[in-house]
This record gives sequence, C-alpha cells and structure tokens, in this order.
Amino acid sequence: NAGVTQTPKFRVLKTGQSMTLLCAQDMNHEYMYWYRQDPGMGLRLIHYSVGEGTTAKGEVPDGYNVSRLKKQNFLLGLESAAPSQTSVYFCASSPYRQEYPEAFFGQGTRLTVV
Amino acid sequence: AQRVTQPEKLLSVFKGAPVELKCNYSYSGSPELFWYVQYSRQRLQLLLRHISRESIKGFTADLNKGETSFHLKKPFAQEEDSAMYYCALSSASGGSYIPTFGRGTSLIVHP
Repeated sequence: NAGVTQTPKFRVLKTGQSMTLLCAQDMNHEYMYWYRQDPGMGLRLIHYSVGEGTTAKGEVPDGYNVSRLKKQNFLLGLESAAPSQTSVYFCASSPYRQEYPEAFFGQGTRLTVV
Repeated sequence: AQRVTQPEKLLSVFKGAPVELKCNYSYSGSPELFWYVQYSRQRLQLLLRHISRESIKGFTADLNKGETSFHLKKPFAQEEDSAMYYCALSSASGGSYIPTFGRGTSLIVHP
C-alpha cells in the first residue's frame, strides 16, 4: 500500500501565484487533514474533512481553500501565495472509529514563497 | 477547547541517559493521547498511544489524568532515538476525531 501520498514534494512560488497541493490516500479513510509545520510552532491544522464532499476550517485556515470531491483525495489550494505561507505541509488521514483514531501522514510538501 | 503543551523545544542527552519528554494537555472530556515521532527527512509516524499501554522501542508513556500529563519516557537513550517528537490529543468534536498536536520536542542523543 502507498498509504498517503502528497504531490508535489517541493515547490517554489512567487508572491501572488496560486497552486494546488494534492493528497491521495488508498486506505479508504473517512477523515483527511492538512497541517502546516513551522519551526517552534509544531503542527497546526489548516482544514480538515470528515467525508467526501465535506470540509471544515482548522486553526489556521486563512489564505487556503480545500476540496474533497472524491473520498481518496484532499486538495489544498493557495489562491495568492504569500511569504508567510512558506512552510512544510503535511496531509494525514484516519479511519472513523470510536477508538484508536491514529493519523497516517504523507511525506510532506516543502513550499517556499519568494 | 483542547490544547497540548510540550514545554521543551529541545532536549539534549548523552547515550545511555534516561529521557523524559513532557506533555501536558487540557481537555474537559476523556482524551485519547498519542506520541508521534518524525525522524530526519521522514514522515510522522505513530510511536505509541495511551490506550494500548504498550512499549515501543523502549519508550513508555503513562496517562496521568490528575496532572493532565502524558510524558514519554525511556530509561536508556540511544543515538537512533534522535528525532522530533510530537504529543497529540484526539477528541470527539461534533462526532469527529480531530488530532491536535503540541509544538514538538527535538530530542538529540549524543554519542
């Protein structure tokens, strides 16, 4: 199993450009998440989805949009990139259970906005 | 609101020394707590979870509800333990389980 796969792994954007990060999981998980990882800040939740066609805001949603048109894919969009969005982005997924909702992570996308 | 606090950004020890990575949480209900580890240039992966009461790679963690803590311990650190460690809390929010992570502690084990 591939697990959780993120595309691309690296990207450099100019301020004002737009891009979409793709997250794909093959574990049939209901929940999917986008986090950003910054030094000293840990992992902060951007947006999440509890199922196909549903999305919700996390802790730091401003400047990002998401879509979950298919259960296996969760897209993160930056409409107008800013240097403050330079970060490592992690996608994760987890199954719906009452217990043991472990999160499975992708390998990360390193984004630099210049 | 739920919160996870890891007070130490960096923990530096020598090989063979005991290690304790601190984690405190705030949550009004019954949380599920986890430790995740991220080795250099690798993805985050689950290390252990409190409900399993297991020991992974020599690490253990005990949930102390009175002190709202879930500290990660290992009696004898190894160089390969050097990594970033995240404490996480998973709670039901409107029927959904959303993991909240602490800021992470970087563990460096010197030879």
